Amino acid sequence: EAQVTQNPRYLITVTGKKLTVTCSQNMNHEYMSWYRQDPGLGLRQIYYSMNVEVTDKGDVPEGYKVSRKEKRNFPLILESPSPNQTSLYFCASFPLGLKGGNEQFFGPGTRLTVL
Amino acid sequence: DQQVKQNSPSLSVQEGRISILNCDYTNSMFDYFLWYKKYPAEGPTFLISISSIKDKNEDGRFTVFLNKSAKHLSLHIVPSQPGDSAVYFCAASGYNFNKFYFGSGTKLNVKP
Repeated sequence: EAQVTQNPRYLITVTGKKLTVTCSQNMNHEYMSWYRQDPGLGLRQIYYSMNVEVTDKGDVPEGYKVSRKEKRNFPLILESPSPNQTSLYFCASFPLGLKGGNEQFFGPGTRLTVL
Repeated sequence: DQQVKQNSPSLSVQEGRISILNCDYTNSMFDYFLWYKKYPAEGPTFLISISSIKDKNEDGRFTVFLNKSAKHLSLHIVPSQPGDSAVYFCAASGYNFNKFYFGSGTKLNVKP
């Protein structure tokens, strides 16, 4: 089944404790991205990657890191989480090169709480 | 400042009637617009899209209209069904599909 998976789905942690949220897609998509969803703000893009070893900042990259060493994986790293990073996180992917239809496939989300 | 805005947080319509969801944007460089639907505890799923060279795109019960001069797009759902009850996000991107900007969402409730 074609899908984007995220782990963990739920995470409660404390300020300053490094964490990684994994994202994997099995559709051979070039493009992958991370978003956070907050009430009243919708989805905001954190980082995106157009292909392996190619990453760039989205709208709200502060406090986050990413890496793209393999095409299928795009982990989100919070080196020193703070309470304002409490949010619902989504990973997404889509294939580049298709004519039109750049619709992204989203993972199920990761609910992160930073105490 | 948000470049894509959905000014109606919620909308309630009767089953069988038309639902109209609105979205405004500020960046005239946006080239592609999309609508996503989101159920609770799930990720958003793609619904319909439109390129800036068009003013209308239709897919079954869903039609998206784009008014470039007004920087406005709308999603029409006809007829509305209870299963359409969800949060709807509009999104926009430039021609190179790198950055995406989403609105804050509109929660649609279709009453039986």
